[in-house]
Amino acid sequence: DGGITQSPKYLFRKEGQNVTLSCEQNLNHDAMYWYRQDPGQGLRLIYYSQIVNDFQKGDIAEGYSVSREKKESFPLTVTSAQKNPTAFYLCASRGGQGYGEAFFGQGTRLTVV
Amino acid sequence: DQQVKQNSPSLSVQEGRISILNCDYTNSMFDYFLWYKKYPAEGPTFLISISSIKDKNEDGRFTVFLNKSAKHLSLHIVPSQPGDSAVYFCAASDNNDMRFGAGTRLTVKP
Repeated sequence: DGGITQSPKYLFRKEGQNVTLSCEQNLNHDAMYWYRQDPGQGLRLIYYSQIVNDFQKGDIAEGYSVSREKKESFPLTVTSAQKNPTAFYLCASRGGQGYGEAFFGQGTRLTVV
Repeated sequence: DQQVKQNSPSLSVQEGRISILNCDYTNSMFDYFLWYKKYPAEGPTFLISISSIKDKNEDGRFTVFLNKSAKHLSLHIVPSQPGDSAVYFCAASDNNDMRFGAGTRLTVKP
């Protein structure tokens, strides 16, 4: 089945540690996105990538890093520089050269303990 | 600066009536707009979209209207059903990124 997969669903991190969230898609989509959702809030754009080996900062990129070495994969690293990393993280992919629907993964809930 | 705004955090309607969810955007470069439905702890699911070359798109009970001059779009759900209760996000995109509003929580009462 085609789709987009995020893992893990729940993740706990100690303060000061980096952690990487996985996002994989087999939809052959060029564009991939990372969003963060806080309780009662909307989706805020962290990073996006339109093509392999290229990515752009969104509105809240500070404290995060990404890579796009393969079309299928767009991992997000939450670094120790992110002051308030506890949130729900959503990854999306999109085809149609920017004019199609985006498909979302099921999300990763990150909790800093 | 929030480029996509949903100014109503919540909306409550009676089953069978019309639900109207509103969305405003500021970036005139946006030319493709989408509506998503979301439940807690899940990823959003796509509902309907509209290109800037149109002013209306309809899919079953869902209709999206776009007013480019006002930079405003709306989602109409008619008739509303209790199963429609969820948070609805609008999104706007150009050829690059995709920005979302803060969402509107719709409650449809039986």
